[in-house]
Amino acid sequence: DVKVTQSSRYLVKRTGEKVFLECVQDMDHENMFWYRQDPGLGLRLIYFSYDVKMKEKGDIPEGYSVSREKKERFSLILESASTNQTSMYLCASSPGGTMNTEAFFGQGTRLTVV
Amino acid sequence: GESVGLHLPTLSVQEGDNSIINCAYSNSASDYFIWYKQESGKGPQFIIDIRSNMDKRQGQRVTVLLNKTVKHLSLQIAATQPGDSAVYFCAENIKGAGSYQLTFGKGTKLSVIP
Repeated sequence: DVKVTQSSRYLVKRTGEKVFLECVQDMDHENMFWYRQDPGLGLRLIYFSYDVKMKEKGDIPEGYSVSREKKERFSLILESASTNQTSMYLCASSPGGTMNTEAFFGQGTRLTVV
Repeated sequence: GESVGLHLPTLSVQEGDNSIINCAYSNSASDYFIWYKQESGKGPQFIIDIRSNMDKRQGQRVTVLLNKTVKHLSLQIAATQPGDSAVYFCAENIKGAGSYQLTFGKGTKLSVIP
């Protein structure tokens, strides 16, 4: 089975802190994604990566950056956390290239910024 | 930009009845669609998918219908059970700069009444 693992289920951080959310997948997928999920807004794409060291902005990249130094790991970075970044963060991965298939999700990290 | 959306945000169904969850999409270039189920505290899980060269696909107790003429997608759940209570998302796979990325609707919450 595909496994996408997010390092934390729950996080509480202070405003202004630098926050790292880590995600690891074990299926050798090329693509990895970070979404945030808020009530009534569904899942919104923050950033995605289709190869090591490659990244693309999604719909809401402001206030975030990402790092993909290894194929299996995709990190989301909040440079200076703010209260409006309190949300559920979901990581996903999928095969890359011309393979048009579903993405597999981690269990989510609920981040609270106080 | 084009987006995926849902007709109904909430749906309550009696146990044993059939459920129908609807989704409208506007990107005519999309050729692959997925339904996800998200239970409380978990990441989205794949239920069923359909490609644009099909108009119907069946799984175990679930059927997805695709009407490309009106850009409409639906998920039918037969003999709804309490375990079906969750939020359901439709998603379309869109070709980006490097690879495919999923765009989600806002979700429909399905509540099953025992």
